[in-house]
This record gives sequence, C-alpha cells and structure tokens, in this order.
Amino acid sequence: DGGITQSPKYLFRKEGQNVTLSCEQNLNHDAMYWYRQDPGQGLRLIYYSQIVNDFQKGDIAEGYSVSREKKESFPLTVTSAQKNPTAFYLCASSIRDRGEKLFFGSGTQLSVL
Amino acid sequence: GENVEQHPSTLSVQEGDSAVIKCTYSDSASNYFPWYKQELGKRPQLIIDIRSNVGEKKDQRIAVTLNKTAKHFSLHITETQPEDSAVYFCAATDSWGKFQFGAGTQVVVTP
Repeated sequence: DGGITQSPKYLFRKEGQNVTLSCEQNLNHDAMYWYRQDPGQGLRLIYYSQIVNDFQKGDIAEGYSVSREKKESFPLTVTSAQKNPTAFYLCASSIRDRGEKLFFGSGTQLSVL
Repeated sequence: GENVEQHPSTLSVQEGDSAVIKCTYSDSASNYFPWYKQELGKRPQLIIDIRSNVGEKKDQRIAVTLNKTAKHFSLHITETQPEDSAVYFCAATDSWGKFQFGAGTQVVVTP
C-alpha cells in the first residue's frame, strides 16, 4: 500500500534513551522527508534528503538525527536531547524535491514511558 | 521561508452542503499547492493539487482555486457526504522545494 513503509507503528521511549524510526520506500524516489505531527497541529518538517548521503535540517531538527546511506532508506533517530518527543511521526517521499507529489508512510506513534 | 496559514480550524456542514477551506502563503516563488486529507490515525492522502500556471482545477466534487496575486488558494467540496469528514491540510512548496503545511481544518459532515 503506497510503497513507503514505516516501522514500528507504536514506539515507547524511556528517559535518556535514543530510539530509531524506520522508513523504507520502493518507489525509486530521490527525495525523502520526516514530519512531526502533534494533536491539532499541522505537519512540521524535521529533516529532508534530496539525494543519497545528503540531508538538510527542517524547521524543528533539534534533538533529531538522520542518515541517508541508501536511496530506499531514511531512518530517523530521536535522541535524548529531544525533551518532548511524544508525537506522530510521518515519513514521506517524492520523485524530486521541487514541487512533486508527496507520498506518506502510515506513521509511527512515539510515546514516552 | 514560506509560511502557510489555513482557515477555518474547524468546519461543520450539513450533508449535501458545500465546504470551503482557505489558505494563504507568503513566498511568491511557491509554485505547487497540494491538498491532503487525513483520517484519524492514518496517513495523509493527496486529494487534489494545483500548479502556479493554473487558476482552477476540478475533480468530481472537489475543486481548488488559486489566486497568485493575492497569494491564496482554496479547497471547495460540493455535495458533502459523511465520508468527507476528516482533517484537510493545504501545503505550498517554497523556493527551496520544501513543503510547508497549514495547521489543518477538521471537517465534520453531519447527516
């Protein structure tokens, strides 16, 4: 369904712990994105990548890190520096980054224990 | 950078009536304006989009209009049905190709 897979669906983080959210796509898309969604709010951009081995900070990158070692994969790590990580995280991809349709994964709900 | 404002935040309509959601953007270089529908706990789904060289686009009961001079675009849903109930997001790409999203509109269609 959609060619972009996020896992896990639910994730719990303990204090001081780093956690990694997985995002894989088989659409052969160049660009990939991570968004954070809080209840009643829009989508805020965390990081995006236009090409393998390159990525840029979005509007709320502090406390997060990413890598883009393969075209298909764009994992997001929520570090212990992110003090309010509870949110719904959405990964997306597009053919290229300038004005092309975004395809979204099904999301990961991250909660703090 | 781009700033997208979306109104209203909630919209209640009677089944069969029309719904209109409006968005404004700040970057005159923005050239692509998609609309997404998100049902509770699910991924956003693209429902319609428009590019800056077009003023209006329709797809069955859904239409989008764009006014580049005023920097605003709107989603129109006619003959609303209960399955239209969802959160709708507008977005615009800024000059760097990043998508900036509006805060969303919760649409409730009552029978």
